[in-house]
Order: sequence, then structure tokens, then C-alpha cells
Amino acid sequence: GQQLNQSPQSMFIQEGEDVSMNCTSSSIFNTWLWYKQDPGEGPVLLIALYKAGELTSNGRLTAQFGITRKDSFLNISASIPSDVGIYFCAGQPGNSGNTPLVFGKGTRLSVIA
Amino acid sequence: DGGITQSPKYLFRKEGQNVTLSCEQNLNHDAMYWYRQDPGQGLRLIYYSQIVNDFQKGDIAEGYSVSREKKESFPLTVTSAQKNPTAFYLCASSRISSRLDTDIQYFGAGTRLSVL
Repeated sequence: GQQLNQSPQSMFIQEGEDVSMNCTSSSIFNTWLWYKQDPGEGPVLLIALYKAGELTSNGRLTAQFGITRKDSFLNISASIPSDVGIYFCAGQPGNSGNTPLVFGKGTRLSVIA
Repeated sequence: DGGITQSPKYLFRKEGQNVTLSCEQNLNHDAMYWYRQDPGQGLRLIYYSQIVNDFQKGDIAEGYSVSREKKESFPLTVTSAQKNPTAFYLCASSRISSRLDTDIQYFGAGTRLSVL
């Protein structure tokens, strides 16, 4: 099936630093979503993007839907310890609104106080 | 509270045993999904259903079975044919829309299955 390449796989950062992660695909996506998963819990939606070029913020989080519709990035500013977790990108493939989302393999974020 | 409820939180399976994981949603969503998550891995789709009494295989359906007799419920059975069932299992649901951009999935809290 279709795949999303999410990078980096893991990150270790100091508290207060900014973080950037991204997802790329070889095919077009209609929707890009970013989720966060805390240990032992289900993923929770952070940001949803619907239009190419769209830039959306949610507090310290900012995400963009790439112009080519084949990529997206997520930035976290001024990281804090509770930002620890796994961040997943997910996309709705083009051509159909009823196929399941495609998920990246996740970026594991560790924050050193 | 509206949401997706998975039970139990922890489940243990003996050799050769079938076990069933429960997933219930009161969001009035049409579609429901089951994913498997292994350590360091992403989410792999097992089965999904977009309407009652119908379901589709995902990428790793072998050794699993599902049913969708009610809109609110989508139980997953891990059969004895699944030789490596130890994993974290996540259920999700979403609306189905004619628009191309509204398939946001909402997740339950997960069930951790271990083999005795």
C-alpha cells in the first residue's frame, strides 16, 4: 500500500528548544493530520490540514500542508517535558475520500529537562 | 462523555486460545478501524468497516477476525492462527462523508495483549 516517510525516527532535545519533523510521500494526499501518542494511550489529534499551502497553529504547534500535496511538517516551539511522546503524521490519499488514512511510522520525542 | 471505549486495557492469551477485544463508540461514526502497534513501529491496519454488516481486510488481517453487527460496536478476535499476537491494539472511528477531506480518525485508549 501507500507509505508515508516520516523523519526523524527519534529526537532527543533540551527543554526550551524548538522541534521540527516532517512527512513525505511519493503520491498526492488530500488531507494531512498530525497526532500525538502518550505512552500506553491512543493517539490524539493535534492538527488537521485540508488545503495545499495551508499553515495552521495550535498553541506552540505549527503544521503546514506542502504545496505539492506530497509533504507536511510539524514544528513545536519552546519544548516542555509534557511534549514527550510519539508524533504520527497521517494522510488521506488522493482520488478517494473513503479509503483509510495512511500513517507514518512516528517520531519519538524525548525532552531533557 | 462521547468517545471510543476499548476493553479490557490489558489482556492475556494462552497458547491456542482465541481472545476478543471490545471496541464501542458513541460518536455516531459510520466507520471503525482496528490497528496493531508493535514497539518502535507505526500503526498497521488490521480490518476496517464503513457500514454495518460489512468490513474490509487491512494490511495484516491474517489470524484476526471481526464483526460489525451494530454501528456502535466493532469487536476484534485474535485467533489461535495469529502466532505472534503480543502487541498494543488500537480501535478508531470516523465519519464517512462525500467530501474528500473529512476522514479524521479518533482513537480509543488501546488494549495491550500479551501471551502467557
